[in-house]
Amino acid sequence: EIVLTQSPGTLSLSPGERATLSCRASQSVSSSYLAWYQQKPGQAPRLLIYGASSRATGIPDRFSGSGSGTDFTLTISRLEPEDFAVYYCQQYGSSPRGSTFGPGTKVDIK
Amino acid sequence: EVQLVQSGAEVKKPGESLKISCKGSGYSFTSYWIGWVRQMPGKGLEWMGIIYPGDSDTRYSPSFQGQVTISADKSISTAYLQWSSLKASDTAMYYCARLISPHMIAGAFDYWGQGTLVTVSS
Repeated sequence: EIVLTQSPGTLSLSPGERATLSCRASQSVSSSYLAWYQQKPGQAPRLLIYGASSRATGIPDRFSGSGSGTDFTLTISRLEPEDFAVYYCQQYGSSPRGSTFGPGTKVDIK
Repeated sequence: EVQLVQSGAEVKKPGESLKISCKGSGYSFTSYWIGWVRQMPGKGLEWMGIIYPGDSDTRYSPSFQGQVTISADKSISTAYLQWSSLKASDTAMYYCARLISPHMIAGAFDYWGQGTLVTVSS
């Protein structure tokens, strides 16, 4: 099973700042099958990025994804107040053993 | 509009059985894999398994194999997650979600249900 590690665990930033979140896989993620989700308290997760760098429908362009192999990054270019949330990465290329999520990074207001 | 609507919150006792549901609408239900994700209180997301409603092909995470059963009734566009004997450790929010591309087993989840809270307590 591919294990995902996210860092940092918590990121304290101010609105307008740039956020850089890391997701590292224990082995190479095939075909860049890596996604990022945002989850706010009391809400279901929302897909932000799939295929490591493709934005999902309706996602603002301040969100961008990059990386390949075992190292992936989610960047929020300028934090808006609504961006403070928990972010999860997910790899989905290891069928038939399925998919796994990372433990999450919380982005909170400094 | 694509929607996944889940059944309501449940409170059960240890040892009881339970089946929760997820009804899809606004798209071809039989053409997209649907998955289930667990979130224990205050914790992260866990991928449980997926089903292809077109032929009921099902895959489980090794962590959940044998612990739950995923099924679907394509005639009513509904997927299910069931337990035969609940434990207190099954207390969690459970989400269903649709895979992003038709027919493809590998994919991110683009649409999510609102979640079903399952509480197991004596």
